[in-house]
Amino acid sequence: DVKVTQSSRYLVKRTGEKVFLECVQDMDHENMFWYRQDPGLGLRLIYFSYDVKMKEKGDIPEGYSVSREKKERFSLILESASTNQTSMYLCASRGANTIYFGEGSWLTVV
Amino acid sequence: AQSVTQLDSQVPVFEEAPVELRCNYSSSVSVYLFWYVQYPNQGLQLLLKYLSGSTLVKGINGFEAEFNKSQTSFHLRKPSVHISDTAEYFCAVSDRSGAQKLVFGQGTRLTINP
Repeated sequence: DVKVTQSSRYLVKRTGEKVFLECVQDMDHENMFWYRQDPGLGLRLIYFSYDVKMKEKGDIPEGYSVSREKKERFSLILESASTNQTSMYLCASRGANTIYFGEGSWLTVV
Repeated sequence: AQSVTQLDSQVPVFEEAPVELRCNYSSSVSVYLFWYVQYPNQGLQLLLKYLSGSTLVKGINGFEAEFNKSQTSFHLRKPSVHISDTAEYFCAVSDRSGAQKLVFGQGTRLTINP
């Protein structure tokens, strides 16, 4: 089975802090994604990566950056967290025409 | 650009009743279609997908969906639901090439009443 692991399930951060969300997949997938989930809005794509050190903006990249130094790891970075970034963040990776998701990271910014 | 509309934000049904969750999409190119389920405090789990071939797709947990190209729909059905089916369901589409990013609908919360 494909495994996508998000290391932090629940985080509480202060406004202005730098926040790192880590994601690791174990299937040697090239494509990885970060989505944000908000009630009534579904999931929206923040960034994706199609190879090591390669990245592209999704639909809502403002306030976020990403890092992909190794194929299995894709990190989402909030340079200066704000309260409107309180949300559920989902990492995913793609293999064989299917995208697999991690368990999600609940981030609260106070 | 693609878009997905899930026509019902909430669907309450009684246990053992049939259910249909509706999904319409818009795209200028051919797409792949997906249904995902999200149980409380969990990530998304793939229920089923349509890539090509038969328009009736069977998935896990007794769910099935039918792709209707002329109506650009991909409705999800189950003939008899259980309490354990209570969850949020997401319809999604992706391009058939490139990164195949998923574009999601807003979700439908399915509540099963005893």
